[in-house]
Amino acid sequence: DQQVKQNSPSLSVQEGRISILNCDYTNSMFDYFLWYKKYPAEGPTFLISISSIKDKNEDGRFTVFLNKSAKHLSLHIVPSQPGDSAVYFCAALRRRGTYKYIFGTGTRLKVLA
Amino acid sequence: NAGVTQTPKFQVLKTGQSMTLQCAQDMNHNSMYWYRQDPGMGLRLIYYSASEGTTDKGEVPNGYNVSRLNKREFSLRLESAAPSQTSVYFCASSELLAFGEQFFGPGTRLTVL
Repeated sequence: DQQVKQNSPSLSVQEGRISILNCDYTNSMFDYFLWYKKYPAEGPTFLISISSIKDKNEDGRFTVFLNKSAKHLSLHIVPSQPGDSAVYFCAALRRRGTYKYIFGTGTRLKVLA
Repeated sequence: NAGVTQTPKFQVLKTGQSMTLQCAQDMNHNSMYWYRQDPGMGLRLIYYSASEGTTDKGEVPNGYNVSRLNKREFSLRLESAAPSQTSVYFCASSELLAFGEQFFGPGTRLTVL
């Protein structure tokens, strides 16, 4: 039972263009969402988060959008840079109750120079 | 600050052997976590510790035990390793349980023959 899904295992984008990474979830009790970036042979690093009371959060080139009715969130990277090439994981959290972060399976982004 | 450190970085075990993965954080965080990452599966929570002195099962706890030795250290023990436990193991910490980002260590790559 995959509660958090990233249906695109990989994505290629030209440098300077927009990268859009998608994430779907099934549990409407999730109230906090995060994106992590992971380079090979390293641990994931936090990128950006959003609370369920918001529908958008921006941090520099990174914007996360949350559509609660569709149970969908997306990460936009504009403009994409070669250094953004990594695996991106979305994670969901229900702050009251289980306290467990549920991660998606990841999307490998390749930004082409 | 070293952040989250893990030892060892690599380990090869034979089926039935035991070992302990060590994790330490120097950020004075209250909560610590152990995850495993397998191809196509994302990160799955094994155990977590909300605060010093408490531990709880995550999504995939079978075959593992943990010890929250003090506020800094959280170890993961495999009592009798099995090939199904071949994986990359990540330790993480956060200031509070279920609040904000987690900081991850660099991982331990474990192979069980």
